[in-house]
Amino acid sequence: QQPVQSPQAVILREGEDAVINCSSSKALYSVHWYRQKHGEAPVFLMILLKGGEQKGHEKISASFNEKKQQSSLYLTASQLSYSGTYFCGTRSSGNQFYFGTGTSLTVIP
Amino acid sequence: KAGVTQTPRYLIKTRGQQVTLSCSPISGHRSVSWYQQTPGQGLQFLFEYFSETQRNKGNFPGRFSGRQFSNSRSEMNVSTLELGDSALYLCASKAASGASDTQYFGPGTRLTVL
Repeated sequence: QQPVQSPQAVILREGEDAVINCSSSKALYSVHWYRQKHGEAPVFLMILLKGGEQKGHEKISASFNEKKQQSSLYLTASQLSYSGTYFCGTRSSGNQFYFGTGTSLTVIP
Repeated sequence: KAGVTQTPRYLIKTRGQQVTLSCSPISGHRSVSWYQQTPGQGLQFLFEYFSETQRNKGNFPGRFSGRQFSNSRSEMNVSTLELGDSALYLCASKAASGASDTQYFGPGTRLTVL
């Protein structure tokens, strides 16, 4: 039931773009995206709801394909501060919340 | 507004002991969830409380329990500690118990079981 994220790890140069994918085996009501820096708690980035409502972060966007039970996080013109581990979180009919497997993103100068 | 606070921040226990962790949510938030984070298993959902009632529970043994008080503060208890319980325990609060509500995480309690 844990969503699977891909890629597991990615290294970017500043200014490059990245896409992180999150795939679930269950029908989803919502997808949340978080970033966690080493030694810190996860920080909310974005939420996507079934039906299309979206809240988020001005420099990061995401999509939610309800039929495929997938979500993708798009980071454009990456900055050094984007480094961290990105987690998707999904909520389905049972209302339990599952975090994805995580994607480590490193931005280098 | 103050953020989510967790106490203690670090804890060392030995096998067989029990431990109680505390979480104070953001003022006005009524939902508190607990998560366990380990390098091997990642972030795993333990349980969620809303208005003093457990709303959801993850796949953890009965040694893991929790409760929520009328002021929304929550405690998590782990009895008969095992080495595998060493982890970062995170709590998160949100205003209500809906799918669209954003969770705000506390800094976590790092538990080490020797």
